[in-house]
Amino acid sequence: GAVVSQHPSRVICKSGTSVKIECRSLDFQATTMFWYRQFPKQSLMLMATSNEGSKATYEQGVEKDKFLINHASLTLSTLTVTSAHPEDSSFYICSAYTDEKLFFGSGTQLSVL
Amino acid sequence: LAKTTQPISMDSYEGQEVNITCSHNNIATNDYITWYQQFPSQGPRFIIQGYKTKVTNEVASLFIPADRKSSTLSLPRVSLSDTAVYYCLVGDVTGGFKTIFGAGTRLFVKA
Repeated sequence: GAVVSQHPSRVICKSGTSVKIECRSLDFQATTMFWYRQFPKQSLMLMATSNEGSKATYEQGVEKDKFLINHASLTLSTLTVTSAHPEDSSFYICSAYTDEKLFFGSGTQLSVL
Repeated sequence: LAKTTQPISMDSYEGQEVNITCSHNNIATNDYITWYQQFPSQGPRFIIQGYKTKVTNEVASLFIPADRKSSTLSLPRVSLSDTAVYYCLVGDVTGGFKTIFGAGTRLFVKA
């Protein structure tokens, strides 16, 4: 199947710093990508829809100034967690469609100290 | 967006067939049903997708009744490595639908 690459797989940062997570579609172009967060033992929660060349659409309750999304090309979307705090510690996952199927990245475990 | 309901958890033994049912009463005409598997600290992995009747691939079968208000994922002869969370998603895949995950089903396979 298609490959969605996510980097880094794990990041530890200090409180107040910003962290960028990359999501790449390796063998297809994706005009739309999705970003999720997942807490331990819970389901994935959709945070935002990333649209190539336009602003992201955020789900209710997700702070757009906190979670900056940039989708500058058809193969790359980035999520930047700005001024991270311990409560932002979570597992972040991206996904993209191709061939009428949704493929997911391997996820990024963010730990904010 | 169609809401899905699945059992929270299931237990099975190695070698058994496991059937996980998902209810989606308000499924729309253009909606497809897709199942994913997720292991801890990994992104979900595509298992199978269907629109109606039965679909089979090398790892699973998907049964969808005529009214399409439910679907059943069938895993033949499970092994310990099938212990995971299984999610059923319903939406118009041709339109790149926004995915809303339900709680999923935690399958625990015992030796």
